[in-house]
Amino acid sequence: KQEVTQIPAALSVPEGENLVLNCSFTDSAIYNLQWFRQDPGKGLTSLLLIQSSQREQTSGRLNASLDKSSGRSTLYIAASQPGDSATYLCAVNSGNTGKLIFGQGTTLQVKP
Amino acid sequence: KAGVTQTPRYLIKTRGQQVTLSCSPISGHRSVSWYQQTPGQGLQFLFEYFSETQRNKGNFPGRFSGRQFSNSRSEMNVSTLELGDSALYLCASSFSGTSTYEQYFGPGTRLTVT
Repeated sequence: KQEVTQIPAALSVPEGENLVLNCSFTDSAIYNLQWFRQDPGKGLTSLLLIQSSQREQTSGRLNASLDKSSGRSTLYIAASQPGDSATYLCAVNSGNTGKLIFGQGTTLQVKP
Repeated sequence: KAGVTQTPRYLIKTRGQQVTLSCSPISGHRSVSWYQQTPGQGLQFLFEYFSETQRNKGNFPGRFSGRQFSNSRSEMNVSTLELGDSALYLCASSFSGTSTYEQYFGPGTRLTVT
């Protein structure tokens, strides 16, 4: 049974700092891994998707990496801004279907 | 393209009642998945519908059911509501047939059971 863990649960950093969010999964047989952002009381916004054959994906100040053999993914945020404050969720798709297994999320606060 | 839409956005129901939530996927998307989000359990998969057929099901009781119509719109029904059903219900759509299977989420329906 696939389990997804995110550490830390919460993180507070000053504006401008580079930071890394961690995601680990127990079964390396994944189809893809997706990172989302969720603002309080809102839906999820897709940030990056990494296919199982890929090692990393980049979008603007965001870079996500994937190491299937160790069951890990990281989301790197460069030059953090207060607008980056949100909960970040990683989700694993173990098959070519619409079923995602989510981690509990990391709540990020970027202080001005 | 318009994003995933969900109606209603907010609902207040009483224990024992039933409720129906609606989800309209992005145009062209044929897969719709439903998730329940609570502070204690996080995001949990309910079920997925593809081409009007349930393709995957999570570990929820039979009180939770769904269906999908020929235009890919989906509805989720919860019967005999319990206090623990209070949650944010999210649906996601994806264009099955591509290699990425990227999921796009709607804004959610906030259900409160009193």
